[in-house]
Amino acid sequence: EKQLVESGGGLVRPGGSLRLSCTASGFTFRGYAMTWVRQAPGKGLEWVSGISADGTDTYYADSVEGRVISSRDNSKYTLYLQMSDLRGEDSAVYYCARLQPVTGGGALDFWGHGTLVTVTS
Amino acid sequence: DIQMTQSPSTLSASVGDRVTITCRASQSISGWLAWYQQKPGKAPKLLIYEASTLESGVPSRFSGSGFGTTFSLTISSLQPDDFATYYCQQYNSFSRTFGQGTKVEIK
Repeated sequence: EKQLVESGGGLVRPGGSLRLSCTASGFTFRGYAMTWVRQAPGKGLEWVSGISADGTDTYYADSVEGRVISSRDNSKYTLYLQMSDLRGEDSAVYYCARLQPVTGGGALDFWGHGTLVTVTS
Repeated sequence: DIQMTQSPSTLSASVGDRVTITCRASQSISGWLAWYQQKPGKAPKLLIYEASTLESGVPSRFSGSGFGTTFSLTISSLQPDDFATYYCQQYNSFSRTFGQGTKVEIK
């Protein structure tokens, strides 16, 4: 059974840093591009970052560009999101999701359950 | 960045109703559009990709259509399990924007 399990969320002060992890199982992780999507409390979905299957290409939303780094360790079946200079507006549930394995990446066909990040003083 | 606009924001309907949600892109995205369903406290679930292809296991009462800049999601006969929030997402560009969501409520 395939799974994506996020971890690393929690309370952090404004200006602080946090690293989120997403551990995959039940499928061949290195064969899939991955993405991070967040959802602020009571709000809609916001795409945050994407990373290619081999980790060489990364993409970021303007709202987080320069403050987050997406990476992956295919040997550990794990995706990471290093976040720094955190702001109140970064408070959200962060989901990792798998992209359909098509050229350029497809829709998000499998999601984790999310990890909550709360930025507060 | 490509902007995605959904309408309506909220939709009140009854079991058995046919409902349609519209999603418009700020520029052409060909057919690179997906629809997701999200229930409170849960992760989103993929319903439709490439504008009109039903994801495996999704009931056939869901259908999608459109190309270019205008797309729609239709539920042919609303069931109790369908009351949820629905999002469109474009994946024509690396910046994969979502619509703001449409909440389908019980009338």
